[in-house]
Amino acid sequence: SQQGEEDPQALSIQEGENATMNCSYKTSINNLQWYRQNSGRGLVHLILIRSNEREKHSGRLRVTLDTSKKSSSLLITASRAADTASYFCATDASPGNTPLVFGKGTRLSVIA
Amino acid sequence: NAGVMQNPRHLVRRRGQEARLRCSPMKGHSHVYWYRQLPEEGLKFMVYLQKENIIDESGMPKERFSAEFPKEGPSILRIQQVVRGDSAAYFCASSGAGKTDTQYFGPGTRLTVL
Repeated sequence: SQQGEEDPQALSIQEGENATMNCSYKTSINNLQWYRQNSGRGLVHLILIRSNEREKHSGRLRVTLDTSKKSSSLLITASRAADTASYFCATDASPGNTPLVFGKGTRLSVIA
Repeated sequence: NAGVMQNPRHLVRRRGQEARLRCSPMKGHSHVYWYRQLPEEGLKFMVYLQKENIIDESGMPKERFSAEFPKEGPSILRIQQVVRGDSAAYFCASSGAGKTDTQYFGPGTRLTVL
């Protein structure tokens, strides 16, 4: 079963605005991770939130996790042009040794 | 303090040739993962290895694809008799502990099959 569906598929905002991306998944998880990918580059790990956590902050990033709704959101505050990238969520399903499953990503464009 | 390294960054092969992709994990990491990414898609898991062992190869095509992570040296993803459908970006990631640990990704190898 597919995990990690991001929404929206694409998002375009002005510099300084906040960007919110959502991720939904289908099965129980150990943790959920958010990654960023600049065009033509590898993935950069942003933040990991465990199933027993509800919110986590890292700089301008805020991640929430609602296990009852099987969803997570990534908020980027005061966006910058350099935040332009694709953002992926990846779920680590439980129980067992299943691999990380990535969604198709949200393409964020921040216009200066 | 190098991160995950992959080479080559770009690889062009003709149909029927072999492709060898290399991945050196971060220092101190003994867990390696390979993923494939098609254009406009997310990453798809292929295989998870520890030193000298394949832990999970549930995402690997049954034929033509193989992976190894020897005691010494990088992890190798090998694709034999490549076809056009193998054209993709192949990413390697490593972690210090098992799969619940954060995975750090390399820059990827972009394979183009002519």
